[in-house]
Amino acid sequence: EVQLVESGGGLVQTGGSLRLSCAASGFTFTNYWMSWVRQAPGKGLEWVANIKQDGSGSYYVDSVKGRFTISRDNAKNSLYLQVNSLRAEDTAVYYCARYQWSVGAFDIWGQGTMVTVSS
Amino acid sequence: EIVLTQSPGTLSLSPGERATLSCRASQSVSSSYLAWYQQKPGQAPRLLIYGASSRATGIPDRFSGSGSGTDFTLTISRLEPEDFAVYYCQQYGSSPWEFTFGPGTKVDIK
Repeated sequence: EVQLVESGGGLVQTGGSLRLSCAASGFTFTNYWMSWVRQAPGKGLEWVANIKQDGSGSYYVDSVKGRFTISRDNAKNSLYLQVNSLRAEDTAVYYCARYQWSVGAFDIWGQGTMVTVSS
Repeated sequence: EIVLTQSPGTLSLSPGERATLSCRASQSVSSSYLAWYQQKPGQAPRLLIYGASSRATGIPDRFSGSGSGTDFTLTISRLEPEDFAVYYCQQYGSSPWEFTFGPGTKVDIK
């Protein structure tokens, strides 16, 4: 079964840091770009970052550049998001998602992990 | 930056009725990179349509997508109880590099 399972969310103070993880299974992880997409409470979806198959390139939405870092460990079939200098507006459910270029869409999603930033 | 606008914000319909959801882009987008997702409360989004008109694996044929350029449509031919959800359109653009979602259309039970 193709599956993505996120972990690492929690309650953190403004300015704090967290490392989100996503464990992939059921597909050849090294064949795919991977992404993080977030959703603030009661709001819509926002793409955050994505990373190439071999980790050689990564891209970010402007609002997180310099604060968030996406990475992957292909030996462990895992995706990560290091989130630093957190702000109240970063409060959201963070989804790990597979981006499949052959269909031009996020075709597999995890269940999400909640990050709450509190002052 | 391409902005996606979805209308209506909320669509109140009864089971069995036809739903027509609109997604309009501020600039022309490639149909190859226009997708639609369904999200139910407390769940992750699910890919419905990719390439503007192709159904993803396992998606019933009552869901269909169409459109090109700046105007795209998701149609649900006959609403089933499980179709009441929020629907998002999404596009990829390379200049600047971005993956943009629309604000969503909520389809609720009338």
